[in-house]
Formats: sequence, structure tokens, C-alpha cells
Amino acid sequence: DAGVIQSPRHEVTEMGQEVTLRCKPISGHDYLFWYRQTMMRGLELLIYFNNNVPIDDSGMPEDRFSAKMPNASFSTLKIQPSEPRDSAVYFCASRAGTGVMTDTQYFGPGTRLTVL
Amino acid sequence: AQKVTQAQTEISVVEKEDVTLDCVYETRDTTYYLFWYKQPPSGELVFLIRRNSFDEQNEISGRYSWNFQKSTSSFNFTITASQVVDSAVYFCALRTLLLDGGSQGNLIFGKGTKLSVKP
Repeated sequence: DAGVIQSPRHEVTEMGQEVTLRCKPISGHDYLFWYRQTMMRGLELLIYFNNNVPIDDSGMPEDRFSAKMPNASFSTLKIQPSEPRDSAVYFCASRAGTGVMTDTQYFGPGTRLTVL
Repeated sequence: AQKVTQAQTEISVVEKEDVTLDCVYETRDTTYYLFWYKQPPSGELVFLIRRNSFDEQNEISGRYSWNFQKSTSSFNFTITASQVVDSAVYFCALRTLLLDGGSQGNLIFGKGTKLSVKP
């Protein structure tokens, strides 16, 4: 089975540009998570969805960040306008619904974003 | 509050040495899950193991072993006869079922321990 798929793997953009990161979760997983990883702050949860509905977006840094999940197999994280401090690796993860055997989050390969 | 502490920021060993990565957690919940993930230099996060709070049996998988002790709230990870390919950042994480400020069900990560295994 395919794991979590993210695109692009690398993105270099200039300050002020819009950036869209994409994620395809593992088929059948009900939960989808977006994380950001930086040297300074480590792994931070930005937002997560359950059955395509955003449940907790308290980790989203500011209004420049938005995330959508139009269907069970696709999610986007958008930054508009981007700033150099947004440079980080962005991970998408998914897991199946609550249950003893279904509580593992599987991560995608990440998108390394560089904002110049 | 829920928290995961990995006190060792960096560890360096020589190949074939055994190494233990420490993880201490805090939670008020009686039902929770603990995880270890590996992040090699290539950057992906690889799931290694999940442990339920009601199962304190230690686990061994090849050269990897995990020691879960509820009495000390620790979930330590030992690599026996380390190899260069073990060089990575290792993250310990906690997931609880407590409704706690909206974080229910989320993974709480430690800061990670960077392991360098030298030939």
C-alpha cells in the first residue's frame, strides 16, 4: 500500500508569493495532520482533520496559513503571502480512527519549503 | 499537562556500542500510547513502535528494544551493537485520550535525540 504522499518535496519561493502544499493520506484513514518542523521549535502540530472536518487549528501560526480537506483523499496547506520565517519542513500524517490497533500516525516524506 | 522529555540532545557512539535513548513522559490520563519515530538524514519520519499504557511488557525487535516503566513514566529505547545506519534523530511521542484543551488524540513529541554512530 502507498504511504502518505506529499508534493512537492522541495519548494523554493520568494517572499510574498503564495505557496500550496499537498497531501494524500493513506486510503481509509480518517485523520489527517499537518506539522511543521524547524530547528528552533521542533515538530509543531498546525492543524488536524477528522473525516475532512478541521478539528483543531490552534497551531496555525497566523491568518496567512490556511488548510483545506475537500475530500478524504486530498488536503492542502496554503501560505499566502509567504515569509522567510515560514521556511521549514512541512509534514503531513494520517491515521485511522480511534482504536487499539489504529492509533499510529504515519508520516509523509515532508515538503522542504524555503522562502527567500 | 502532557509532556515528553528527551533530555539527551545529542549522543555520539562508536559502531557496535550499545546505546540507550531516554524518554520521560507526563500525563494525567490512565490510558495512553507511547511511540518512537526515527528521522534519518534523508528527513522522513519513520514509525518504530507503539506501546499501550496497559501493556508494560518490554519489546525486542532485532537490535532494538524498548523498556516501558510506568512507575518512572519512562519509555527508553536501546540499540544493541549500533551501526552507522542507526544515525538519525529519534523522537519519543505520547498520545492520550484526555480532552485537554482540544489536544485529545494528538501526538505530543519530545525534542528528539540526535544519535551519531561513527565507524
